[in-house]
Amino acid sequence: SQQGEEDPQALSIQEGENATMNCSYKTSINNLQWYRQNSGRGLVHLILIRSNEREKHSGRLRVTLDTSKKSSSLLITASRAADTASYFCATDVGYSTLTFGKGTMLLVSP
Amino acid sequence: DVKVTQSSRYLVKRTGEKVFLECVQDMDHENMFWYRQDPGLGLRLIYFSYDVKMKEKGDIPEGYSVSREKKERFSLILESASTNQTSMYLCASSTSGPRSGNTIYFGEGSWLTVV
Repeated sequence: SQQGEEDPQALSIQEGENATMNCSYKTSINNLQWYRQNSGRGLVHLILIRSNEREKHSGRLRVTLDTSKKSSSLLITASRAADTASYFCATDVGYSTLTFGKGTMLLVSP
Repeated sequence: DVKVTQSSRYLVKRTGEKVFLECVQDMDHENMFWYRQDPGLGLRLIYFSYDVKMKEKGDIPEGYSVSREKKERFSLILESASTNQTSMYLCASSTSGPRSGNTIYFGEGSWLTVV
């Protein structure tokens, strides 16, 4: 069952611009994670935010979490062509597993 | 660095064949997972294992089985491959449940085509 849903499905921007992706989920969580996937490759963990946190930063990444709205956003500042990838949010539905959304495809043009 | 290795990157199999997808992790992780990824459907959990010889069904276990005889190895088995099992298969591992805040480490994926 799909817990997280990313929005938009696809995003196209120019280098140097900021990219914002959103994730909505349905049930209560302990934490929410964001992953990145380059075309045809495995997923790589980017950042985790716990349910008692509202904002977290890691380099050019900024994640926010609003548990009252059951939503999160991932902001990538000063995007680069190398940021071109799919981005997934994931939530801990059961104790042992993560449930992933369908992802946002980000294209950053030089 | 954690390494999750999927033995086959690309496979082409015939309908009805028995297919084995192998995955090995080198970080002594308790949990291992098999997902499949299809366009428009995202990642869907097939099976996971939280210990040797233990397994739990995920969201789409039909047509699949798994084996975990050793802690570092988790195999996905397609008993009789069908064309609707053509997909990218992703193996992953983690130290313990994500509810604890642990991240999941993925392999590079295995592209399976069933003809």
